[in-house]
Order: sequence, then C-alpha cells, then structure tokens
Amino acid sequence: TQLLEQSPQFLSIQEGENLTVYCNSSSVFSSLQWYRQEPGEGPVLLVTVVTGGEVKKLKRLTFQFGDARKDSSLHITAAQPGDTGLYLCAGLFGNEKLTFGTGTRLTIIP
Amino acid sequence: NAGVMQNPRHLVRRRGQEARLRCSPMKGHSHVYWYRQLPEEGLKFMVYLQKENIIDESGMPKERFSAEFPKEGPSILRIQQVVRGDSAAYFCASSPSSRTYEQYFGPGTRLTVT
Repeated sequence: TQLLEQSPQFLSIQEGENLTVYCNSSSVFSSLQWYRQEPGEGPVLLVTVVTGGEVKKLKRLTFQFGDARKDSSLHITAAQPGDTGLYLCAGLFGNEKLTFGTGTRLTIIP
Repeated sequence: NAGVMQNPRHLVRRRGQEARLRCSPMKGHSHVYWYRQLPEEGLKFMVYLQKENIIDESGMPKERFSAEFPKEGPSILRIQQVVRGDSAAYFCASSPSSRTYEQYFGPGTRLTVT
C-alpha cells in the first residue's frame, strides 16, 4: 500500500504571508495532483504534474514535482482568506488507482 | 457543461436501513470512481466503474456495499443494513478515459446513520 504523507497537518497564518505545504512518499509517482476542498464540497482539481522537476504556476500558487517523483510541494505567495481550505495531494502509482494524502488544513486569518 | 452531480446531498438513515447514493458523471465521461471521506481524514478509494462494468472494487467492504453503473442512468452506490460506522461523506468522481489522474469530483453525499 502506497502512503502519501502531507505536512503540516494544520497551518494557520496571517493574510499576506507566504507558505509551503509538502507531500511525500517512499514510492515513485507516475503523476501527482493537488486538490483544494472547501467545507461541504468536493475536492477541486488544481494541477497535475507528471515530469520530475516540473514546476507549474497558477496565479499565486506554485507547484513543484521532485526530481525523483517521490515528493511535491505547493507554495502560496501573499495568502488571502479565499485560500482557506483543505489541500490534498493525490498520487498515481503505475497504473493503479489514485491514492490521497491526509491533507493540510490551511486557515488564512484576515 | 454541467459538472458531476450527486444526490441526495444529505441522507439520514436509521441503523438497518438501506442507503442509495446516486452519481451522474460529467457529460462525455464514462469512468466513475467512488470515495469515502471520514471527518478529518483524506479520501479513501472504494470502487472504479465503467458503463456496465466494475473495474476495481478493491476498496469496497466485502459485505453490505455494492455499486453499479448501468448503460443508462446514474451510477449507484448502495449500502445495505447501514451501521453508525457508515456515517461519512461519499464522493463520486468521473473521468473521460482510463487516465485516472484527470478526475473531477461531485459535491458529495453526507450520510448520517442514527
């Protein structure tokens, strides 16, 4: 069973600060996705990364896939209250089903 | 293009009753996945279906749970004789092909067993 560990589990910061959350595994991903989930809603796909070392930017969000494809990070610049939510990484190992991490619960304080 | 639709959004059942959760995938999507999410936990895979076929049910409990995706109509997740431990949010996702990383989620059904 592949495990995805996300850290930190909880993060609370002031509006305008920067932050980074991490997703790590001992196994190699064939691809990795980041989702954001708000209370009472389903996860919303933010990005998919496939190539080791890949960096993708989505406005103030920067996603990086590790060179060895075992880890990923999400960096948010100048956090806003609208960024509050549960951030989930999900990895595809080989051709198997998507495995989700336990999430980072982010709170941005106005 | 409508997104993934799930109904009901909230479902309350007494212990021993049956729960039926419905999922209509996005238009053009023929692959459906069901996940369960317990409070403060991540999503756990349950089952992967294509039209009229169960592809992977390795995450489904062996008893009381079943799923189908008929040729016509929504996918159904059925839980018989519900117990309190079945209380959770159940999410459906769909994808356009077997490239399972392109999954789009519905809003979920929150099942409460009293």
